[in-house]
Amino acid sequence: EDQVTQSPEALRLQEGESSSLNCSYTVSGLRGLFWYRQDPGKGPEFLFTLYSAGEEKEKERLKATLTKKESFLHITAPKPEDSATYLCAVQAGGFQKLVFGTGTRLLVSP
Amino acid sequence: DTEVTQTPKHLVMGMTNKKSLKCEQHMGHRAMYWYKQKAKKPPELMFVYSYEKLSINESVPSRFSPECPNSSLLNLHLHALQPEDSALYLCASSPLFLRQATDTQYFGPGTRLTVL
Repeated sequence: EDQVTQSPEALRLQEGESSSLNCSYTVSGLRGLFWYRQDPGKGPEFLFTLYSAGEEKEKERLKATLTKKESFLHITAPKPEDSATYLCAVQAGGFQKLVFGTGTRLLVSP
Repeated sequence: DTEVTQTPKHLVMGMTNKKSLKCEQHMGHRAMYWYKQKAKKPPELMFVYSYEKLSINESVPSRFSPECPNSSLLNLHLHALQPEDSALYLCASSPLFLRQATDTQYFGPGTRLTVL
């Protein structure tokens, strides 16, 4: 059974304090791994798609990396507006089905 | 532009009411999805339409009835809901390019549903 585990469950950072969020997965035949950002009461906002081990993608203060077992979302010098829940999801055998992790709630304090 | 729109933003309904949620996208995507999300939980897939045909139904109760009038529109008809159906209902769409290995889903802002 495909599984996705995110850690930590919650993370509190000071503004400018860099850190990483982890997404571990066990799937048979990974098609893609996705990162989304979700603000309270809003829909998930697409951030990145990663396809194969070794791949990296960047967007502003965010950088996503992928290995054969996990993905990291690195946040460099975060700002309060980066506060949100970050969701990781994988697409495997079920082409249109995403298996989501439970998310990491990030709070960045000024 | 990767915009999916949903109406209404908020909906309050009684258990005997009939209401509908609407979703629209103009990105030329050929797959559309309904998800249900409870507080502090990830989205749960309900239905998938591919090329305007229902391709996935995740054993959702019949009080939820999806409809895809055309490739840009997706409705979710609600009838005789229960208080436990209160949640954020999310619509998503994806290109569905079958020659690609993966298919990125883009989500709308959601409809906050409260069942009294």
